[in-house]
Amino acid sequence: AQTVTQSQPEMSVQEAETVTLSCTYDTSENNYYLFWYKQPPSRQMILVIRQEAYKQQNATENRFSVNFQKAAKSFSLKISDSQLGDTAMYFCASVSGSARQLTFGSGTQLTVLP
Amino acid sequence: NAGVTQTPKFRVLKTGQSMTLLCAQDMNHEYMYWYRQDPGMGLRLIHYSVGEGTTAKGEVPDGYNVSRLKKQNFLLGLESAAPSQTSVYFCASSYPFWVSGTEAFFGQGTRLTVV
Repeated sequence: AQTVTQSQPEMSVQEAETVTLSCTYDTSENNYYLFWYKQPPSRQMILVIRQEAYKQQNATENRFSVNFQKAAKSFSLKISDSQLGDTAMYFCASVSGSARQLTFGSGTQLTVLP
Repeated sequence: NAGVTQTPKFRVLKTGQSMTLLCAQDMNHEYMYWYRQDPGMGLRLIHYSVGEGTTAKGEVPDGYNVSRLKKQNFLLGLESAAPSQTSVYFCASSYPFWVSGTEAFFGQGTRLTVV
């Protein structure tokens, strides 16, 4: 069974600063996929970034990037130049190649302060 | 662009009542999921389906049933609601995850309160 752990229930960052959200996961498979989803107060789940385990290069999407450490089973999200609109709950998630279940962590509530 | 649509958006039930949540997707996705979201616990998988006519249990299936008679629809049923089922329910759909660039798309959620 897969497990995903987010050890930071809440974080805050000043506008325009950089913040890193932590995530660790556990899987026995070599082929898997990792995701960060954002849930603003509207409750809508929005994909932020996706990483395929067989790709060594860290994924980036504009101000969002990941630090994927496969050996350590770590998948952290870095948000650069934080904006007020980044205030949201952030969920880390994983799915393995053979499993069909997308497993989520408990989430990190990020608040961007003006 | 409808994507994933859940009905209803809000519902209040009395203990012991039954109800069905409907999820519809128009993206021709094979996989569909039902999650519940509770404070501090993230999203937990209730049931999922990898194709029309197939369903499987997730992490927290007790007290729920599902059906997928049509590829585009995934129904979640509560036969006898309990206060512990008060939660926000999310439906999601996706292609198989090994399809390059795929992601799970989510509905807007259903807030269910059982009194």
